[in-house]
Amino acid sequence: EAQVTQNPRYLITVTGKKLTVTCSQNMNHEYMSWYRQDPGLGLRQIYYSMNVEVTDKGDVPEGYKVSRKEKRNFPLILESPSPNQTSLYFCASSFAGRQGAYGYTFGSGTRLTVV
Amino acid sequence: GNSVTQMEGPVTLSEEAFLTINCTYTATGYPSLFWYVQYPGEGLQLLLKATKADDKGSNKGFEATYRKETTSFHLEKGSVQVSDSAVYFCALPNSGGYQKVTFGIGTKLQVIP
Repeated sequence: EAQVTQNPRYLITVTGKKLTVTCSQNMNHEYMSWYRQDPGLGLRQIYYSMNVEVTDKGDVPEGYKVSRKEKRNFPLILESPSPNQTSLYFCASSFAGRQGAYGYTFGSGTRLTVV
Repeated sequence: GNSVTQMEGPVTLSEEAFLTINCTYTATGYPSLFWYVQYPGEGLQLLLKATKADDKGSNKGFEATYRKETTSFHLEKGSVQVSDSAVYFCALPNSGGYQKVTFGIGTKLQVIP
């Protein structure tokens, strides 16, 4: 089954404790991206990757890191989480194409709480 | 950059009612337009898309037509069901391609029996 798999689904952590949220896709998509979803703010892009070893900042990259060493994986790293990073996180992937014609496949989400 | 304006809702309808969720956009060129749906506790799913002007996207009884003259992509369904209760997002890629996608704020739909 074609899918984007995120882990964990739920995570409660303490301020400052480094964590990684994993994302893996099995569709051979070139493009991957991370979003956070917050009430009243909708979806905001954190980072994206056009292909292996090619990443760039989205709209809210502060406090996050990413890497793309393999085409299928795109982990999101929070080196020193803070309470304002409490949110619902989504990974998404897509084939590359003119004007983004393909649309995204999303993971099921990771609900992160930082206390 | 490109932008999208979407009614925030919530929208509450009785079962079998007609649904319209408005979406208007500003864009450079003629990007593809999308509607995504998010069911409770799940990630977003691509509902339908249109890749050029006058195209109609359709899926699961939902339809939306890419209107260049009014820069709109309104979502419609003739008869909603309780199972359609979800949050609906209008979206389009930013100018230049697929690197960034702008999502609307999302419209929550609640269908009551």
